[in-house]
Parts: sequence; structure tokens; C-alpha cells
Amino acid sequence: DQQVKQNSPSLSVQEGRISILNCDYTNSMFDYFLWYKKYPAEGPTFLISISSIKDKNEDGRFTVFLNKSAKHLSLHIVPSQPGDSAVYFCAAMIQGAQKLVFGQGTRLTINP
Amino acid sequence: DTGVSQDPRHKITKRGQNVTFRCDPISEHNRLYWYRQTLGQGPEFLTYFQNEAQLEKSRLLSDRFSAERPKGSFSTLEIQRTEQGDSAMYLCASSLVRDYYSGNTIYFGEGSWLTVV
Repeated sequence: DQQVKQNSPSLSVQEGRISILNCDYTNSMFDYFLWYKKYPAEGPTFLISISSIKDKNEDGRFTVFLNKSAKHLSLHIVPSQPGDSAVYFCAAMIQGAQKLVFGQGTRLTINP
Repeated sequence: DTGVSQDPRHKITKRGQNVTFRCDPISEHNRLYWYRQTLGQGPEFLTYFQNEAQLEKSRLLSDRFSAERPKGSFSTLEIQRTEQGDSAMYLCASSLVRDYYSGNTIYFGEGSWLTVV
């Protein structure tokens, strides 16, 4: 049972444009969500997070949006840069349990 | 301290051998986690410690796997009698938990690649 899903295995975006990565979840008990970026042969690097009491969180070029009624979150990167090319993982947790459940990842490629 | 440290980064072993991975968390962090990632999948939770106590173990953690955090600082993950299906990246992570709403940001190490031949 895949509780966190990233339905797009890959995404290709022009440099300078907006990248939008999507994530859906099924467990309504999840109340904290994180995005991680991962390069090959390295561990995931934390990017940005959002609590279920918010619907938006922004940090520089990265913004995460949460739609609780749709059980959907998205990560916006603007403007996209070549160094953003990596695999992006969405993760969810129940606060207190703090056990992350990850999606399958989306490979983002930024084209010059 | 710059982050979570894992050793070794790569390990190739023959089927049936035992392997051990070490993790040094961020120094003030009281929670330590082990995850496993296989190709094309997101990381999967294996187990976690609050200080030296192992509080939860996933069903993925068979009897051949054992994790310890003897003094609440570094941790080891041992796999006995390795099988080819154990080939994966083993990720350690840590966080600082003070109360229910804190410690939600979990920081990962670089990972330890295991190849069982």
C-alpha cells in the first residue's frame, strides 16, 4: 500500500522556468510533509517542509503548497537552475511518530 | 560537526558474509534512524532509536538484521548471512526531538552502498 505517491517519474524543464513537482498521499493522519533532493550515490538532502496547519511555505526559490482536502502537495522551484537537476522525494509523517514515508521520487532535469 | 556521517560508503561482500555499517549522527541529536533504499524506490524505514533505546522496528528488518546505539551516540547496523536481496543503500538519519512538535526535520547521511555478490 503506497501511502505517498509521486506519479511523475520524470520531469524536464527549461532553465529559468518554473518546475512543479507533485505528490499525493492517502493517509489522512499525516500532518507533516517534507521534500528532499537526492543526487546519485548520495543521501537525501532536506529542502523544505510544511505542517498541516499551513497551506504554503516558502524558502527562497522553493515553495511548497499543501491541499489537505485533496491530500495533495506540490513543490515549486522558480527560477529553475541546472543545479536543480536531481531526484526529488516527497515524504510524510505523523508528528510524534516521526517515521517518514517516502514517495518513489521524480527525476527533474533542467535543460539549458 | 557538518552532518550525519556513515562508514563505509561502499561495501561489496560475498553472499553469506556478515557486514556492519556505522553511523555518527549530528552531535546534539537524540533520535537516530536507519532507512534502506533500493533502485527506483524511495527510502524505506527500518528502525529508530531515541537515545540508546530502540523504539520501533519495521517488518523489513528480518532476524538477520540488528541495530544498536550503545551509548546514545553512534549506531551500528549489522546484517548477518547476507543475501543478494540485501543489496541496497543503507541510510542513517538523525533529528533533535524536544517535544511532540519538534524534531520533524530529519537529516540524512550520505548512505552506505551494499552489494552482495
